[in-house]
Amino acid sequence: NAGVTQTPKFRILKIGQSMTLQCAQDMNHNYMYWYRQDPGMGLKLIYYSVGAGITDKGEVPNGYNVSRSTTEDFPLRLELAAPSQTSVYFCASSQSRISSNYGYTFGSGTRLTVV
Amino acid sequence: QQPVQSPQAVILREGEDAVINCSSSKALYSVHWYRQKHGEAPVFLMILLKGGEQKGHEKISASFNEKKQQSSLYLTASQLSYSGTYFCGTAPTPDSNYQLIWGAGTKLIIKP
Repeated sequence: NAGVTQTPKFRILKIGQSMTLQCAQDMNHNYMYWYRQDPGMGLKLIYYSVGAGITDKGEVPNGYNVSRSTTEDFPLRLELAAPSQTSVYFCASSQSRISSNYGYTFGSGTRLTVV
Repeated sequence: QQPVQSPQAVILREGEDAVINCSSSKALYSVHWYRQKHGEAPVFLMILLKGGEQKGHEKISASFNEKKQQSSLYLTASQLSYSGTYFCGTAPTPDSNYQLIWGAGTKLIIKP
């Protein structure tokens, strides 16, 4: 039972470079999310998707782009990396409707450093 | 509005009890609790739904007072494995799973 798989786990980027963080889930969840977490801080929502072909901005979308061509995959694209994007990135997925037994399932995270 | 968690941090000896609170200024349908250990992803603990129920998970339980728009997480006879940062997330309606608003977290340190 894989759950949510994120790759890569670690990455160092130079300022101005671009990269794509991959996220895949095998739970047939409609909802998927990208968060960033700075050291000692909480989770900030970058983008989310409520289904294939539907995405929307979260709290901190600037400098990022997403796409959702399938239910399973939700990649996050960083264009023109900046030091302010140094953070840990978490992908998560969930059911559409809140139930008392199922919460968000998070991937293991990608630790990104921009130098 | 981000829910307010209190305390921000707490240090306990193994075997002591802890209470972590999560308060919102808006009406809530649900409160979600997660634990994140250092260097790891958040892990789902439990969800409290509107109705004032109390739930339990091993020695960790929680309550939800919808009138006060507040939830409390209770950790009884704490174990070293309970160390980590606890986050609450709040949602206003049953269909608002994508609108979860996270608190800033409460760091719990358990010492032997």
